[in-house]
Amino acid sequence: EDQVTQSPEALRLQEGESSSLNCSYTVSGLRGLFWYRQDPGKGPEFLFTLYSAGEEKEKERLKATLTKKESFLHITAPKPEDSATYLCAVQAGTGGFKTIFGAGTRLFVKA
Amino acid sequence: DTEVTQTPKHLVMGMTNKKSLKCEQHMGHRAMYWYKQKAKKPPELMFVYSYEKLSINESVPSRFSPECPNSSLLNLHLHALQPEDSALYLCASSQDQAVGETQYFGPGTRLLVL
Repeated sequence: EDQVTQSPEALRLQEGESSSLNCSYTVSGLRGLFWYRQDPGKGPEFLFTLYSAGEEKEKERLKATLTKKESFLHITAPKPEDSATYLCAVQAGTGGFKTIFGAGTRLFVKA
Repeated sequence: DTEVTQTPKHLVMGMTNKKSLKCEQHMGHRAMYWYKQKAKKPPELMFVYSYEKLSINESVPSRFSPECPNSSLLNLHLHALQPEDSALYLCASSQDQAVGETQYFGPGTRLLVL
């Protein structure tokens, strides 16, 4: 069964304290892995799409990487405004068109 | 521009009411989606439209009725909802329905059913 697991469930950081969020997946034929940021009561905001192992993408303080089994979202020197829920989602060839979301990691950054 | 708009932002309705949610995108995307999201849970797919035709219905109760009048608009008609249907309803769009296409989400409609 296709599955996406995010860890940790929640992460509390001090401002400037770099860390990583993990998204592990078990799917057959990965076709795309997506990272979104979601603020409370708002729609998910697209961050990155990764397609193949070894791929990396960066945007401001965020960097996403992909291996054959997992993806990491690295946050460098986070600020309080980075506090949000970060969602990982995958699409796989055997899953038809369905996008499988992880449960998310809630990030809290304290000033 | 990767904007998907949704109206209304908030909606309160009784169980006997009929209401509609509206979603619009002007990115030329040919696939549009409705998701339902409960608090602290990931989005759950409800419907997918591809080239204005319904292609996926994830066994959603008939009290939810989607409509795609044209390639830019997506509606969700609501009738005789239950309190457990209260949630954030999200619309998304992508270039087309090909696997691997990035979906862009709207801000959502917060629905409360009394």
